[in-house]
Amino acid sequence: ETGVTQSPTHLIKTRGQQVTLRCSSQSGHNTVSWYQQALGQGPQFIFQYYREEENGRGNFPPRFSGLQFPNYSSELNVNALELDDSALYLCASSGQGLSYEQYFGPGTRLTVT
Amino acid sequence: SQQGEEDPQALSIQEGENATMNCSYKTSINNLQWYRQNSGRGLVHLILIRSNEREKHSGRLRVTLDTSKKSSSLLITASRAADTASYFCATATHVGGGADGLTFGKGTHLIIQP
Repeated sequence: ETGVTQSPTHLIKTRGQQVTLRCSSQSGHNTVSWYQQALGQGPQFIFQYYREEENGRGNFPPRFSGLQFPNYSSELNVNALELDDSALYLCASSGQGLSYEQYFGPGTRLTVT
Repeated sequence: SQQGEEDPQALSIQEGENATMNCSYKTSINNLQWYRQNSGRGLVHLILIRSNEREKHSGRLRVTLDTSKKSSSLLITASRAADTASYFCATATHVGGGADGLTFGKGTHLIIQP
C-alpha cells in the first residue's frame, strides 16, 4: 500500500453536474498527477501539479480543473459532467516528477448517469 | 492517445511457469516503467528502466529495453497465483517542468492458474 489516499471511493452523479475528487499525497512528495482510466483501458494523463501550480496537461478540456494545496494535497474538479466521464480517477504523487516512480492512490470510481 | 501497446492483451499460464509481456512505444523516452493493477484498483510501481539501461532485475522480475526497436519486455519468473493482475508499461517523455505525464498502454491481463 502506498501512502496516497483518495476520496470518495465511489461516486454516482448525473449528467451536467459538477464533481470534486480529493487526493492526499505521500508524505514528502510535492508533485501530484491525475489520470483517468476508462474500463479496459490504460490510464490517461489529465494534468500534473507541482508546488501548487499546474505543471503539465494532457488532452482534456478546460472543464477538468485542479488545485494543489500548501500541504501538497490536491483536488480534481470536473464541471458539466458527461456520460463519457464515467471512469476510475487515479492520483499519483512523486517527489521528483516523472523521472521517478509514481505512487498511486486506490482511485475514485465515478459513474455518470 | 496511448503511446504504448502491450502484447499479448491477455495471458493465462500455470503457476510456476514464466510469464513474458512485451511493450512497444512510438516516441523517444526518458524512462520506461512497469506497473501492476489488481481488479481496477490503484497501480503499483514494479520497476523503472532508464533510456540508457538495457536490462534491470528486481526479485522475480526482469525488464529489458531496446530503444532502437522502441520496445520493452517484462519477464516474471516462477509465477504465483498472487501475480494475477493487469500489467501496464508507461513511458515518461519529459523531465522536470512542463511534464507530459506518463503514457500508458492498454495493458496485459495475466491470469495464473493454480
